Amino acid sequence: GENVEQHPSTLSVQEGDSAVIKCTYSDSASNYFPWYKQELGKRPQLIIDIRSNVGEKKDQRIAVTLNKTAKHFSLHITETQPEDSAVYFCAAPGGSNYQLIWGAGTKLIIKP
Amino acid sequence: EAQVTQNPRYLITVTGKKLTVTCSQNMNHEYMSWYRQDPGLGLRQIYYSMNVEVTDKGDVPEGYKVSRKEKRNFPLILESPSPNQTSLYFCASSFGDTTYEQYFGPGTRLTVT
Repeated sequence: GENVEQHPSTLSVQEGDSAVIKCTYSDSASNYFPWYKQELGKRPQLIIDIRSNVGEKKDQRIAVTLNKTAKHFSLHITETQPEDSAVYFCAAPGGSNYQLIWGAGTKLIIKP
Repeated sequence: EAQVTQNPRYLITVTGKKLTVTCSQNMNHEYMSWYRQDPGLGLRQIYYSMNVEVTDKGDVPEGYKVSRKEKRNFPLILESPSPNQTSLYFCASSFGDTTYEQYFGPGTRLTVT
């Protein structure tokens, strides 16, 4: 079955700098890769996703890149702001469109 | 307002006392799912449902039951809760019978003593 590994577990960056979070997956048939943001005490919310027929997708300050050959995908946040502080989760399909296997999460800390 | 609701939000119970956590969505979504969230383990899927009367096990289904008699409701049942089921539980739903763009409920924090 699918296995998703996420790194780093904690990332501390200076406000205004960029942050990159990386996930690797094991199932080469996986075709959908979402990223969710969970603020402290809140529910996870989808911030961006990418399908396997696309190599990169951007939405303002966030972007996701996908390398199907190496089986990894990354979240890039530019010009980080205090409101970017949260836990970020990646996920990949667990063998079907009905399951998602989640990474363990990355706690992003934005230092003022 | 489009939303996923869960009740109760907080629950402290004792080992062996049956409980039900309700989940309801008003977006006419086909797909619904239950997750548990534990520190360092991310989100793990318990059960999911592709539509009414269609449910299947996720990664950690032991000790849980679900039912999907109506499209909007997807209750999670713990027949005999144990301390290892102490966790934060999230219900989620999405349009169509897939996991794309899931909307999460506010979460239920369960403590089993």
